[in-house]
Amino acid sequence: GAGVSQSPSNKVTEKGKDVELRCDPISGHTALYWYRQSLGQGLEFLIYFQGNSAPDKSGLPSDRFSAERTGGSVSTLTIQRTQQEDSAVYLCASSLNRVNGYTFGSGTRLTVV
Amino acid sequence: KQEVTQIPAALSVPEGENLVLNCSFTDSAIYNLQWFRQDPGKGLTSLLLIQSSQREQTSGRLNASLDKSSGRSTLYIAASQPGDSATYLCAVSRGGASSGNTPLVFGKGTRLSVIA
Repeated sequence: GAGVSQSPSNKVTEKGKDVELRCDPISGHTALYWYRQSLGQGLEFLIYFQGNSAPDKSGLPSDRFSAERTGGSVSTLTIQRTQQEDSAVYLCASSLNRVNGYTFGSGTRLTVV
Repeated sequence: KQEVTQIPAALSVPEGENLVLNCSFTDSAIYNLQWFRQDPGKGLTSLLLIQSSQREQTSGRLNASLDKSSGRSTLYIAASQPGDSATYLCAVSRGGASSGNTPLVFGKGTRLSVIA
C-alpha cells in the first residue's frame, strides 16, 4: 500500500478483555515496529520484526503483550487481560532500511474502561 | 542507554516569527536522526532525516542541523504559520556500520502553537 495502515483507529474495551491491533506495513518494507504513546509521555518502543529474524521483544512491558508478523507483512499486536494502564495510542512503523528512515501509521487509540 | 531530550516542552509564538526547537541525545553513536510532526489525534509525519555524516537538511521553511559530536540537533522553522501548530518529535537511530534496521529512540516532543 501507499502508507502504513492500522486498524481499528479507535478501540474501547472493558478491563480484563483481550484486544488485537493490526498493522499493514508499506509493501516491501522488511522491518516493522510497534510503539506505545501514553498521555504526556514519549513514544515507548515495544517490539520490532526484521525480515525472518526472531523479533526483538525487549520493549514489551509484560507477558500480557505479544505480537506476530505473518508472511513478513501484516502484524498483529495482542494485549491479553487488558488493564487501565494499557490505555494509550499504539503506533506502528515500517522501514526498508535506516538510510531511508521510518514511516508511521495513524495509530490505534486504545481505551480500557 | 540512549536518552533524547527536547527543549522547550511547549512553545507559543506569533505568526511570522522564526523559531528553533532543540533536541539533545546522550550517546553520540547514532546512525541518523529524524524529525517528525504529530497533529492531535494523528500519527507521525516525517519532516526531515539527517544521516550521521550530514550536518543539515532543508525542506521548504524547515531546516534541521546535526552536531553529532556534541549530541545536538535543532529544527529551524522560518516564517511560522498557524498551520505549523503541532507537536514536533526528534528521534535517533542507534549507530553501527550496517544500514540494517534498529528501533528509534524518541524525545517527548515540543508542542508548538503559532498564534494568528
